[in-house]
Amino acid sequence: DAGVIQSPRHEVTEMGQEVTLRCKLISGHNSLFWYRQTMMRGLELLIYFNNNVPIDDSGMPEDRFSAKMPNASFSTLKIQPSEPRDSAVYFCASSLTQPFEAFFGQGTRLTVV
Amino acid sequence: GDSVTQMEGPVTLSEEAFLTINCTYTATGYPSLFWYVQYPGEGLQLLLKATKADDKGSNKGFEATYRKETTSFHLEKGSVQVSDSAVYFCALSRSARQLTFGSGTQLTVLP
Repeated sequence: DAGVIQSPRHEVTEMGQEVTLRCKLISGHNSLFWYRQTMMRGLELLIYFNNNVPIDDSGMPEDRFSAKMPNASFSTLKIQPSEPRDSAVYFCASSLTQPFEAFFGQGTRLTVV
Repeated sequence: GDSVTQMEGPVTLSEEAFLTINCTYTATGYPSLFWYVQYPGEGLQLLLKATKADDKGSNKGFEATYRKETTSFHLEKGSVQVSDSAVYFCALSRSARQLTFGSGTQLTVLP
């Protein structure tokens, strides 16, 4: 398996634009996590899905952020409209429920100018 | 709520030195504990884990023992290499719902 695949690896966009980050889970995994990493706040959990259902979205910063799982192997994280403070590295991770071992993608470095 | 406290970095060592990175946690029940490593420009990789008290996780010469009495999971390696330079994250998980991470410790190993 190629592991968790994220795209794009880098994204530079202007403030106010819509940004969509993509994630392909490891085949057979049923849990999906989106994290955001910044120097100031470290790693923050944004949202957690289990079996395609959002279980905990308390970490989503505000209504500008939305995440979906249209099928069992794919997820998107959308920011609309984007703001400079959204600049960060966004990671997705997938896991089985048991044993629980989260495997991370290589991340998308988002820069909003 | 759950929390993980890691040793403040950065840590700089010479090659072949002994490494310890301290990690303590606060959580109810019996969490699983993890160490992840992040190399520059990459995602986090699972380094080792332990799922119950007194378990020892080990991988690539790194070890950590789940100590419930001291709520600790310190990472150790007997002889570090330049290639071990990275950021190390301690994390815990309860009920397989999510990972709670520490702030990370930057390790630099000099030749």
